[in-house]
Amino acid sequence: NAGVTQTPKFRVLKTGQSMTLLCAQDMNHEYMYWYRQDPGMGLRLIHYSVGEGTTAKGEVPDGYNVSRLKKQNFLLGLESAAPSQTSVYFCASRRQANTEAFFGQGTRLTVV
Amino acid sequence: GESVGLHLPTLSVQEGDNSIINCAYSNSASDYFIWYKQESGKGPQFIIDIRSNMDKRQGQRVTVLLNKTVKHLSLQIAATQPGDSAVYFCAENSNTGFQKLVFGTGTRLLVSP
Repeated sequence: NAGVTQTPKFRVLKTGQSMTLLCAQDMNHEYMYWYRQDPGMGLRLIHYSVGEGTTAKGEVPDGYNVSRLKKQNFLLGLESAAPSQTSVYFCASRRQANTEAFFGQGTRLTVV
Repeated sequence: GESVGLHLPTLSVQEGDNSIINCAYSNSASDYFIWYKQESGKGPQFIIDIRSNMDKRQGQRVTVLLNKTVKHLSLQIAATQPGDSAVYFCAENSNTGFQKLVFGTGTRLLVSP
């Protein structure tokens, strides 16, 4: 049982490049979340999903897109990376509302 | 490890002391709250949760108190140990519309031997 797995763990992008971060969970959870974490800012919610085929905007959605085509996967896309998107990205999943969320180990993204 | 938490509020305690970490939440419609611990270079780890129909919940060495009147949450750690050194976050779940899980800014706990 791997829990929540994020791919890749590290990445360096040039400004304007695109990439996709993959989050996979093997717990059959309905809800999945993408957060970014910057120094002194805590975790900020980017986008989330309450089930396969659904997505919703969080606190800081601009510059990101997401897809939840399969229940176990939640993809976060950056179409045109900017230095302001340099951050550590965390994915989380939970079985349903009002239950604990389980986190992946994070993806450290640097945009130069 | 990563440079998370450079500007976070810091609570410094001696080993064996009791620690109290506070959190103010923003949404009166929030009905579920979680405390997480994050060590350097790792993802947040669940500590304890509490539902809005409760005022207090106890775990092993930890207690969470909820005051809905002033929208305040606290985490009490008994007999704090050096291994408790980490950044602690509270998270609130809103039951309006989609079920968002939103985090507070966090507190760094430093435990000296």
